[in-house]
Amino acid sequence: AQTVTQSQPEMSVQEAETVTLSCTYDTSESDYYLFWYKQPPSRQMILVIRQEAYKQQNATENRFSVNFQKAAKSFSLKISDSQLGDAAMYFCAYGAGSYQLTFGKGTKLSVIP
Amino acid sequence: EAQVTQNPRYLITVTGKKLTVTCSQNMNHEYMSWYRQDPGLGLRQIYYSMNVEVTDKGDVPEGYKVSRKEKRNFPLILESPSPNQTSLYFCASSSAGRTEAFFGQGTRLTVV
Repeated sequence: AQTVTQSQPEMSVQEAETVTLSCTYDTSESDYYLFWYKQPPSRQMILVIRQEAYKQQNATENRFSVNFQKAAKSFSLKISDSQLGDAAMYFCAYGAGSYQLTFGKGTKLSVIP
Repeated sequence: EAQVTQNPRYLITVTGKKLTVTCSQNMNHEYMSWYRQDPGLGLRQIYYSMNVEVTDKGDVPEGYKVSRKEKRNFPLILESPSPNQTSLYFCASSSAGRTEAFFGQGTRLTVV
C-alpha cells in the first residue's frame, strides 16, 4: 500500500521569506502523480501544484515550486516570498489512478508578519 | 463555473438517525470519491466510483454507503451514524486520465 509521510506537523515562516515543506512517499509504481493541496481556514481544498513522476523537470507555479527526487521518493514544496495568505494546512498527496489519492497528515504553516 | 457541490455544509445529528450528504459535480467527471478528514490523520478515502453503477470501497468504508445512479451525483449515506463518524467530509471528482481531484466545500458532521 502506498504511504505518504509529512514529518513536520507545524512550521512557521516570516513574511517575504522562503519555506520548504517536506514530503516522502512509498510506492512500487513507476507511473504516478504527486500533488500539494492547500487548505485555508475556509476548509476548501485547493490544488497548489502537480508533478508527473515521468517528468524530470520540477513543477513550478508562480511562487510555488517542488523538489522532486524520484529515487529518494521525496517531494518537497518550496514557497518563496511568503505572504499572509499562504497560512494554511498543506497536504501532500499521491495518486496512481484517477480514483484515489493517498494523503499525508498535513503540515500547518503559519506566516509571521 | 466548474464545481463540486456538497450539502449540507454543517450537520448535527443524533446517534442512529439516518442521514444523507449529497454531492454533485458539473464537470462530467467519471470518477467521484468521498473522503473524511480527521485531525492528525489527513484525508482518508471512504468510497469511490468509477462510473454510473460502479462503486468500490476505499480505506475506511465501515458504516457508510454510497450510490451512483447518475454521473453527476454521488451521495454518502450513513444509515446508523455513531459518534466516531464525527468528522469533516469531502466529496471529490476527477476525469479519466487526470489524477488531480476537484473537491467540494466540505461537510462538517457532528454525531451526538
